[in-house]
Amino acid sequence: GNSVTQMEGPVTLSEEAFLTINCTYTATGYPSLFWYVQYPGEGLQLLLKATKADDKGSNKGFEATYRKETTSFHLEKGSVQVSDSAVYFCSTYGGSQGNLIFGKGTKLSVKP
Amino acid sequence: EAGVAQSPRYKIIEKRQSVAFWCNPISGHATLYWYQQILGQGPKLLIQFQNNGVVDDSQLPKDRFSAERLKGVDSTLKIQPAKLEDSAVYLCASSQDRGPSRKLFFGSGTQLSVL
Repeated sequence: GNSVTQMEGPVTLSEEAFLTINCTYTATGYPSLFWYVQYPGEGLQLLLKATKADDKGSNKGFEATYRKETTSFHLEKGSVQVSDSAVYFCSTYGGSQGNLIFGKGTKLSVKP
Repeated sequence: EAGVAQSPRYKIIEKRQSVAFWCNPISGHATLYWYQQILGQGPKLLIQFQNNGVVDDSQLPKDRFSAERLKGVDSTLKIQPAKLEDSAVYLCASSQDRGPSRKLFFGSGTQLSVL
């Protein structure tokens, strides 16, 4: 079945540093890919998505491109802020009913 | 627009006790999901409802977990009896539909500690 694998954390960066969180997928066909974010004490919320190959999702300065050649959907941001500190989950559809499945999450801490 | 509401926020119980969690989805959302998030792992789907019917409960440990959504609105998830390995955050989510681009809205979760 479909699955996603994302880089282990935690990741600690200084403010204004460049961020990359790697995510690769295994899938039948080309399902939509997502990045969800979980801020401290809050529920998960959709950060961005891409629905087909070569699509680029973007939101709040974050970007991710759906690359079928490398089966990847890496999350990037050019200049992180302290407020970006959170846990980031790569996600896609899978299972018998095509429900959302998640990677293990990558915790990002941004220091001032 | 009100978000997905969950209660309680935290719960501490001893093993073999029972516990229940409550979820009220966003108004008008037909699909409701319960996820289990163990520390250091991504959320895992336990059960999905479409209105008041179960669509997917293939990963629900049915010997101890049960869930219902009797009127197709709010839902409860119960664990009886609890085990140590049930310690996790239980997340409720809802969506308007089940289409391929559906967006899930998550509640803040209930953090369960089983001692």
